[in-house]
Amino acid sequence: QQPVQSPQAVILREGEDAVINCSSSKALYSVHWYRQKHGEAPVFLMILLKGGEQMRHEKISASFNEKKQQSSLYLTASQLSYSGTYFCGTERVETSGSRLTFGEGTQLTVNP
Amino acid sequence: EAQVTQNPRYLITVTGKKLTVTCSQNMNHEYMSWYRQDPGLGLRQIYYSMNVEVTDKGDVPEGYKVSRKEKRNFPLILESPSPNQTSLYFCASSSFKTGGLYEQYFGPGTRLTVT
Repeated sequence: QQPVQSPQAVILREGEDAVINCSSSKALYSVHWYRQKHGEAPVFLMILLKGGEQMRHEKISASFNEKKQQSSLYLTASQLSYSGTYFCGTERVETSGSRLTFGEGTQLTVNP
Repeated sequence: EAQVTQNPRYLITVTGKKLTVTCSQNMNHEYMSWYRQDPGLGLRQIYYSMNVEVTDKGDVPEGYKVSRKEKRNFPLILESPSPNQTSLYFCASSSFKTGGLYEQYFGPGTRLTVT
């Protein structure tokens, strides 16, 4: 079952902040965040583990609330290069092994 | 250079004609998976593999087959393609340890059109 991301799309001016949320109805082992530019493959940003600390990639940070099975991605002082589609991936450990399931994505547009 | 390669990158085929999309990684990763990406639906997992000869279904496995006979290769097979399998396909790989999955490395994608 795919995690739910919100919002579906957001438009910013350069320098503004944004938050992207990701939630799951199932117990999670970790949460991954990826960014995909148009016409390219998704690229890894960060992983958040249960009981782990908030992570950071440049001016992008993320948190993981394991009790609520929710994660948030914080984009601070956005840059034009931040434009793209952001995906959260939720990892669950099942009897067959670990599965990483991605959300539908959040399209972020940063304008000058 | 560490990479995941997919072939072909683009393919137009007809309904019912069997095809294989190859995926290969040079990082000695245990974990490999296939996703399809459709507008508004994000990345949906088709199959994944924890290691050689260990594969399992993802969320949308119908109409697809996979095999993992070697650690580096994870081909996706469409025995009888149908138009609803027209999509952008990504292969991904990562290390896996007791602590879970590591960073996923994605291939460049294969755009498949079935007419």
